[in-house]
Amino acid sequence: ETGVTQSPTHLIKTRGQQVTLRCSSQSGHNTVSWYQQALGQGPQFIFQYYREEENGRGNFPPRFSGLQFPNYSSELNVNALELDDSALYLCASSLATAGGYEQFFGPGTRLTVL
Amino acid sequence: RKEVEQDPGPFNVPEGATVAFNCTYSNSASQSFFWYRQDCRKEPKLLMSVYSSGNEDGRFTAQLNRASQYISLLIRDSKLSDSATYLCVVNLGGYNKLIFGAGTRLAVHP
Repeated sequence: ETGVTQSPTHLIKTRGQQVTLRCSSQSGHNTVSWYQQALGQGPQFIFQYYREEENGRGNFPPRFSGLQFPNYSSELNVNALELDDSALYLCASSLATAGGYEQFFGPGTRLTVL
Repeated sequence: RKEVEQDPGPFNVPEGATVAFNCTYSNSASQSFFWYRQDCRKEPKLLMSVYSSGNEDGRFTAQLNRASQYISLLIRDSKLSDSATYLCVVNLGGYNKLIFGAGTRLAVHP
């Protein structure tokens, strides 16, 4: 086990709704990254948080937003859900932001948008 | 063009077979390279990092050719437990953003 936890495990929403996904980092890790994995695809980088600040962002619209808390846990918020948002959402924590640090993934939240 | 491209698969091989996965990346500035393994409906897990000198971990051998922007993974003596999707991953450096290929599924049968 990586020590990274995510909640909820599964979620079903309808178009236009809003959703909040949660991630608890591995102990001692100050960096959290979020990825979206559509069926049959590799994970795609959404954004990264380091010490409560957004540290980088992938090609996702502003309706995807996040937060990191002082204890380094994190939230991913998605507004105005679309059918294409149906995917596995993964968070990954690491000791630092530099590229040499291994990222440890949580089990993911499977979101279905109807 | 995708940033990381892999063989589409799936690969269906018998136990004991040797199987090779290939991957190419488009950004010559890429600095770190990895193979991840993802079991069905599970999270990706780091299998091994990939170095220019090549590296081996038991039955697994990874190779990087920076000039060709090509990464490979060789699995010898396949086991049933090797059945999974193998993801080729690069990191551009700067901050820790991983760029994944679509993955190649491997099914090892008795």
